[in-house]
Amino acid sequence: DAGVIQSPRHEVTEMGQEVTLRCKPISGHDYLFWYRQTMMRGLELLIYFNNNVPIDDSGMPEDRFSAKMPNASFSTLKIQPSEPRDSAVYFCASSPGTSGRRDEQFFGPGTRLTVL
Amino acid sequence: AQKVTQAQTEISVVEKEDVTLDCVYETRDTTYYLFWYKQPPSGELVFLIRRNSFDEQNEISGRYSWNFQKSTSSFNFTITASQVVDSAVYFCALNMNRDDKIIFGKGTRLHILP
Repeated sequence: DAGVIQSPRHEVTEMGQEVTLRCKPISGHDYLFWYRQTMMRGLELLIYFNNNVPIDDSGMPEDRFSAKMPNASFSTLKIQPSEPRDSAVYFCASSPGTSGRRDEQFFGPGTRLTVL
Repeated sequence: AQKVTQAQTEISVVEKEDVTLDCVYETRDTTYYLFWYKQPPSGELVFLIRRNSFDEQNEISGRYSWNFQKSTSSFNFTITASQVVDSAVYFCALNMNRDDKIIFGKGTRLHILP
């Protein structure tokens, strides 16, 4: 079975550019999570969705960040405009629907973003 | 406040030694869930175990074991007879039943030396 798929795996961009990260969750999973990992702040939850609806976006750092889930098999995390401090590894994870936030989460391989 | 502390930033042991990774959590909730995840060099986080606050039985899975003690708010992870493939960053995490957030500790980087 395919796991969580993220693209691109690596992204290098210049400050001010728009960046879009993509995620395909495991089929049948009702919950989708976006995390950011940095050395300084560790692993932070940015936002999560249940049945394509955003439930908690309080972890989104600022208005430059936005996330969407137009259908059950696709989500995007967009940064516009990007800044060097956004450089991090961004993970997408999904989990089954019974009690999503406390179920096992399946993580994607991550997108390593570098903003110059 | 809810918090997960992994005081050991980095540990190195020689292969076949036993090693314990510490995790201390803070929460005022009586119902909560604790997790351990492994992040190998490939980068992907892998789920290891989930424990709810009402189940204090220790768990053993092969060379891995977990010691949950509510009295000290700890959920420690022990690897016996460590192997080089155990080298990874290990994260402890906490979820409160009433809250949607999962809080991760900063992780412990484990080096198993051949």
